Amino acid sequence: GAVVSQHPSRVICKSGTSVKIECRSLDFQATTMFWYRQFPKQSLMLMATSNEGSKATYEQGVEKDKFLINHASLTLSTLTVTSAHPEDSSFYICSARLQGSGANVLTFGAGSRLTVL
Amino acid sequence: QKEVEQDPGPLSVPEGAIVSLNCTYSNSAFQYFMWYRQYSRKGPELLMYTYSSGNKEDGRFTAQVDKSSKYISLFIRDSQPSDSATYLCAMSNAGGTSYGKLTFGQGTILTVHP
Repeated sequence: GAVVSQHPSRVICKSGTSVKIECRSLDFQATTMFWYRQFPKQSLMLMATSNEGSKATYEQGVEKDKFLINHASLTLSTLTVTSAHPEDSSFYICSARLQGSGANVLTFGAGSRLTVL
Repeated sequence: QKEVEQDPGPLSVPEGAIVSLNCTYSNSAFQYFMWYRQYSRKGPELLMYTYSSGNKEDGRFTAQVDKSSKYISLFIRDSQPSDSATYLCAMSNAGGTSYGKLTFGQGTILTVHP
């Protein structure tokens, strides 16, 4: 089955700094990956779609200049939270389409917990 | 009204009990229905997915979809303490502009006590 790996699993940073989160597909090529965000005791919300070799597609209300997405290869997508503030503290999870499902069924990484002080 | 409604619980059951988890939805365009399990501070793990209406069984887990009622269920038989987690239902359209966009329920917190 498809395996999606994220790094780091946890990061703490000071307000105003930028943080990069990596998402890798370990045993398959993913031309498209998806970044979700989950606030405490809330459900997952899609932030953006990461497209290999082209610009990411952002959901309504998500600031593209704050959440920079780069999909430089078929196995790696990165999310950079720029000038992070405490309200950006959240659980960020990447995902890719489950191979062979022929459907909108996603497999998720383990997530990256960001805490901005 | 949210597109997907799920009772957040918490739900506490004794070991061996049958657990019933449910979601209702309002978007009739949803075609794919999924159940994910999420342990604390971890990413969601896919348990089952179903296309359109019907039942699907995998071991102790059974997923049911009733599109006419816009209602989906997940049953867990012979529940174990290791089943303690948050269970999330998720749904999506068939594709196109909805590709990769899952709409999640709030999640139900389940605790199975020995």
